[in-house]
Formats: sequence, structure tokens, C-alpha cells
Amino acid sequence: SQQGEEDPQALSIQEGENATMNCSYKTSINNLQWYRQNSGRGLVHLILIRSNEREKHSGRLRVTLDTSKKSSSLLITASRAADTASYFCATVLNRDDKIIFGKGTRLHILP
Amino acid sequence: DTGVSQDPRHKITKRGQNVTFRCDPISEHNRLYWYRQTLGQGPEFLTYFQNEAQLEKSRLLSDRFSAERPKGSFSTLEIQRTEQGDSAMYLCASSFNSRTEAFFGQGTRLTVV
Repeated sequence: SQQGEEDPQALSIQEGENATMNCSYKTSINNLQWYRQNSGRGLVHLILIRSNEREKHSGRLRVTLDTSKKSSSLLITASRAADTASYFCATVLNRDDKIIFGKGTRLHILP
Repeated sequence: DTGVSQDPRHKITKRGQNVTFRCDPISEHNRLYWYRQTLGQGPEFLTYFQNEAQLEKSRLLSDRFSAERPKGSFSTLEIQRTEQGDSAMYLCASSFNSRTEAFFGQGTRLTVV
């Protein structure tokens, strides 16, 4: 089962532009995490935001969380070719602490 | 290397055969997760452990799938009587405790022919 839904499913932007991905979820969470996956590889954790936080930064990444709307966004600023990957949001549910992933956004940075 | 390791990286098997995958988590991590991922999809939850205790197995999984984590260290995932629909990437992840970030292995790619 998957709890999160990312939007858009795919995104192509020019190098240097900002990329924004959104995630919506359904049930109460303890925290929300974003992961990156390069083609054919394992997932790499990017950032974790807790349910009592509204915004978090890490380098070129900015994550927001709106628990009233059950949604989150990931902003990558000044994109680079190396940012080309799939990005997944994952929710940690309050009821059982499972980490449940969405279907992902495939980001392609054009040179 | 102190990351999560999975073995084998690739497995090709004939339909009907049994396969077993191994995952070695980061040593101090109490939580261990198994996921299945098919092309273009997100990781699908299979099961997870707190130390040696299996907390939940996905209702989507048939009885052909079983997982263990003896002594709370490494874990194995076994698929009996494999079917072509079992072809996927099987991912293992571990975390220090519940509600923290997970660290993933490189996965085991299973192809059932």
C-alpha cells in the first residue's frame, strides 16, 4: 500500500532553474521524509521534517509541511545535471511507525 | 564499509524455484525494513522488524513470502515457488530506531524466467 502521492509524476527543467515537487498523504504522521533514487540504485535519504515543523532547509533543498492540508513540498534551487533522479516522499505513520513511500516524481535536468 | 549491504545483487531463477535474499543492516540499527520496487513505481512495503520481532507483514504478500531476523542482526527474505510476477527489485533498509531516517542497501534484482 502507498500513502503518499507525488505531483507531478515527471518534471523536466533547464539547469539552473528551481524544481518543486509536491506530496499529499492521507493519515496522521509523525514525520515526513524525502528520498532520492538514481536509476537502478538504492534510495538516499535527503531530509526529514517532523509533524510539528513547518519548514526545513538543507543546502539547496527546502521542504515545507502543512499538516492541516496533509501535504508537503520539496524545492530544489539552482538545479544541476546531477539532480536528475527520482524523488520520493515517505511518511512515518503515527499508528505504527512504518515508513510508507509514494510513487515518486521523476526529475530530469536539461543541459 | 558500514552501510546496509544486500546479497546477492542479482538473481535469475526459474519459475517454481525458491530464492533467499540476505540483508546486513548498519550494526547499531534496531529497525529493518523490506520493500519491493518495480520499474517506475515507489518502494512497496513488505515487512519490518524491531530487533528480532517482526512487527507486520503486508497483507498484499502471499504466504510464499517469509522473512526472518534472527538475533536482531541480519535478515533474510525467502520467496517460495517463485512466479514471474515476483520479478522486481527487493530493497532492504535499516534505521537507528522508529521515526528516524532509513538507510537503504543497493537492492537485489530478481528475475524469474
